[in-house]
Amino acid sequence: EVQLVQSGAELKKPGESLKISCKGSGFSFTDYWLGWVRQVPGKGLEWVGTIYPGDSDTRYSPSFQGQVTISADKSVGTAYLQWTTLKASDTAIYFCARQKGDTALDYWGQGTLVTVSA
Amino acid sequence: DIQMTQSPSSLSASVGDRVTITCQASQDISNFLNWYQQKPGQAPKLLIYDASNLETGVPSRFSGSGSGTDFIFTINSLQPEDIATYYCQQYDNPPFTFGPGTKVDIK
Repeated sequence: EVQLVQSGAELKKPGESLKISCKGSGFSFTDYWLGWVRQVPGKGLEWVGTIYPGDSDTRYSPSFQGQVTISADKSVGTAYLQWTTLKASDTAIYFCARQKGDTALDYWGQGTLVTVSA
Repeated sequence: DIQMTQSPSSLSASVGDRVTITCQASQDISNFLNWYQQKPGQAPKLLIYDASNLETGVPSRFSGSGSGTDFIFTINSLQPEDIATYYCQQYDNPPFTFGPGTKVDIK
């Protein structure tokens, strides 16, 4: 069974750093792109970026380029999304999702709520 | 970036009604279009990929059509469990942008 299990909710202060994770199982982790999607509470979905763990090829939305870093450790089947300097505007739910072929996001993690507040 | 628009932004329909949502891309995306369903408090769920292909396990009352810039998503015979927000997404070129969503509820 394909599963993506994300790390738990985080409460951080502005200026702090953070790394959240997404562990895949039930599929060949190095053979699929893994994407990250942001959802501000009560708002729509925003595509953050994606990584191919097989060779660490990474693509970012221009809106998030330079604001976050996507990485993966294929030895443990886990993708990561990290910030060096959090802002209140980073408060959102972040989903990871597997991309099937070059098409759709077919399996999703449960989401990680990141709250940034002084 | 390719911009995606959806209409309507929300709708209310009766059980058994046919519901139609439109999605428009700012440029030709061929059939590189997905549809997702998101229920409150849950992750999105893939319903339709490549504009018209039904994802495995998704009820056949859901369907999609279109190509180029204009796409249609249909729920034939709306059911109570279909209450959700529906999003289109293009994957022709990164960033793979989503539409703003259409909230569907029961009248």
